[in-house]
Amino acid sequence: QVQLQESGPGLVKASQTLSLTCTVSGASVNTGGYFWSWIRQHPGKGLEWIGYIDYTGTTSNTPSLKSRVTISTDTSKNQLSLQLTSVTAADTAVYYCARDHSRFGEFSGAFDLWGQGTLVTVSS
Amino acid sequence: QSVLTQPPSASGTPGQRVTISCSGSRSNIGINNVHWYQQLPGTAPKLLIYKNDQRPSGVPDRFSGSKSGTSASLAISGLRSEDEAVYYCSTWEDNLSGLGVVFGGGTKLTVL
Repeated sequence: QVQLQESGPGLVKASQTLSLTCTVSGASVNTGGYFWSWIRQHPGKGLEWIGYIDYTGTTSNTPSLKSRVTISTDTSKNQLSLQLTSVTAADTAVYYCARDHSRFGEFSGAFDLWGQGTLVTVSS
Repeated sequence: QSVLTQPPSASGTPGQRVTISCSGSRSNIGINNVHWYQQLPGTAPKLLIYKNDQRPSGVPDRFSGSKSGTSASLAISGLRSEDEAVYYCSTWEDNLSGLGVVFGGGTKLTVL
C-alpha cells in the first residue's frame, strides 16, 4: 500500500525559503514510473497545482510560481521535496504531495493518492 | 478567479440526483481530460472521476462524469448525507501563458 507523508516547518518567515519533504512508502520515487506533484490549498480556498517531478527526474511547474519553485527527489530516502523561495503571506497554505494516476506514460493530471497535507504559515 | 468555473454551492435531499457543472475554454477542457475530486472537511481531496468519465476502483457507481465541448459535469445519484463535501474539477491548461493543471473553485454540496 503506497502512502505519502508531508513534513517540514509549520512556520516560515517572509522572504525566506519554504522547504517541504514528502516521504513515499510502498513505491519508488524514481523507478516506479510515477509522476509526483505538489499541490497547495490556501485557507478556506481552492486547490492550486505547483508542479511535478517524474520518474526520470523531469519537472514541470505552474507558470505563476515557476521562478520560485524547485521540485526534486532524494532516491536514497525515497522522498520528494519542494522548495519555494522568497515567500510572502500569500504562500500560507496547506501543502499536499500527490501521485498521478498515470504510470510510465503521459502525465494525466489525475491525482489518485494524496498525503494528509501540512499547513505552512508565513509570518512577517 | 479560477480558470474553471463551478457553481459555489449545490444542494439536494437524500436519494435525489444532483449535478455539478464545470465550465472552461478551448485551451483547457476543450482539448483535455477532466477529473473530479471530493474533499471532506479537514481531509485531502479524493479522486472521484478521471479522464472525464472513469471511476477509480472503490468509487461507487452513484458518481458519474461527462464532458461536452468546453464543459463537464459530475452527477451524483442516490444522494447520501456522507456526500456532503466540496467537489473540484480539474484539467490541463494549454495556452500562451504556459501549461499546467488548473482547478475549478469548488462546489460545496449540502445534503438537506
